[in-house]
Amino acid sequence: DIQMTQSPSSLSASVGDRVTFTCRASQNIINYLNWYQHKPGTAPKLLIYAASSLQRGVPSRVSGSGSGTDFTLTISSLQPEDFATYYCLQTYSTPYTFGQGTKLEI
Amino acid sequence: QVQLVESGGGVVQPGGSRRLSCAASGFKFSYYGMHWARQAPGKGLEWVAFIRQDGSDQYYADSVRGRFTISRDNSKNTVSLQMNSLGPDDTAAYYCARDQNSGYYNPDFWGQGTQVTVSS
Repeated sequence: DIQMTQSPSSLSASVGDRVTFTCRASQNIINYLNWYQHKPGTAPKLLIYAASSLQRGVPSRVSGSGSGTDFTLTISSLQPEDFATYYCLQTYSTPYTFGQGTKLEI
Repeated sequence: QVQLVESGGGVVQPGGSRRLSCAASGFKFSYYGMHWARQAPGKGLEWVAFIRQDGSDQYYADSVRGRFTISRDNSKNTVSLQMNSLGPDDTAAYYCARDQNSGYYNPDFWGQGTQVTVSS
């Protein structure tokens, strides 16, 4: 199975900051990498698919990059609604696997 | 708009079974693959299962293979998850999600989830 490792596990930041999350795959997943935002008690929200494609309706301050084994999610200017936990998900091969998440805190 | 509503959660005894359902609306259900995922208390998201548009293929996480079965009824716009031999590690909020049909097998829209608690 492909293991996904996210770093850091938690991150403290302020409104207006630029933040970057990292996700590393245990083997080459080309660009089958997706990013989700999740807040407690709500449905997870797709932000980025295919490593760098912005999901419709997601603000342009969110971007994704990477290929192969190393991927990043960047939020260019944090807004109050961005404080949540972020997960990467590989869908290159089953079983699909999530990273352990990065909790973004104020 | 796309809506996914899970049901069937509750308290189950260890070793017991439970069937979850997900009612879909707002899109052509038979055109989309469907996923289940879960989140245990204090843990991260875990992908559980996927079924193709026509139900021809199903895929599972190692932790549930042989115990869980995903199925769908395209005439009723529902996807189900039959869970057998449940243990404490299966306690979680269970989410159904639509596959984006992007060719990348990624879930795009998710339901609000239904809670399953395995406890005696």
